[in-house]
Amino acid sequence: LAKTTQPISMDSYEGQEVNITCSHNNIATNDYITWYQQFPSQGPRFIIQGYKTKVTNEVASLFIPADRKSSTLSLPRVSLSDTAVYYCLVGVAARQLTFGSGTQLTVLP
Amino acid sequence: GAVVSQHPSRVICKSGTSVKIECRSLDFQATTMFWYRQFPKQSLMLMATSNEGSKATYEQGVEKDKFLINHASLTLSTLTVTSAHPEDSSFYICSAREPSGVYNEQFFGPGTRLTVL
Repeated sequence: LAKTTQPISMDSYEGQEVNITCSHNNIATNDYITWYQQFPSQGPRFIIQGYKTKVTNEVASLFIPADRKSSTLSLPRVSLSDTAVYYCLVGVAARQLTFGSGTQLTVLP
Repeated sequence: GAVVSQHPSRVICKSGTSVKIECRSLDFQATTMFWYRQFPKQSLMLMATSNEGSKATYEQGVEKDKFLINHASLTLSTLTVTSAHPEDSSFYICSAREPSGVYNEQFFGPGTRLTVL
């Protein structure tokens, strides 16, 4: 199972763009890169998923370089409600996922 | 997206009793579900993989006789914490993959907070 490394914590201010980078040096050919958001006492919530290049949806963008050894989650114009833990996972959904430490994002007013 | 529910959302029990937690996939069938445990300020730790119609696969260090998993149907998996003790107090979360979904992702339940007195 591919291991991921993320910053433990990040602070940002409301309205700013936040970029969280995750490294996954031993990603396998079939692995997808998926980001989840978790609020206290709730289950993780899917944010975005990608395999290569760039993916964008209504809440975030995901940038994946050609070697796929890292990925960057980009949250545009964050608000206080985006304060949460963000997890980067690598693998396939049909199999067990290994959660790393995650990144605690704190958005300040 | 697909919805996974858990029941109960929180439970308080006395030491030595058994507690059952249900995980349901509401609008899809899941041949495989996963059970995680999360202690305060920590990440999710995979406990076991629940397979419909067969025995669960437990992660190293997880006692299968203490954490009984039954995946009796394609929409229901149960986790029973037997003879619970205070150290079993934790946040238990299940997940499942929607087989026909657009994304190769797992959907997580809202979690169950277990407190053992």
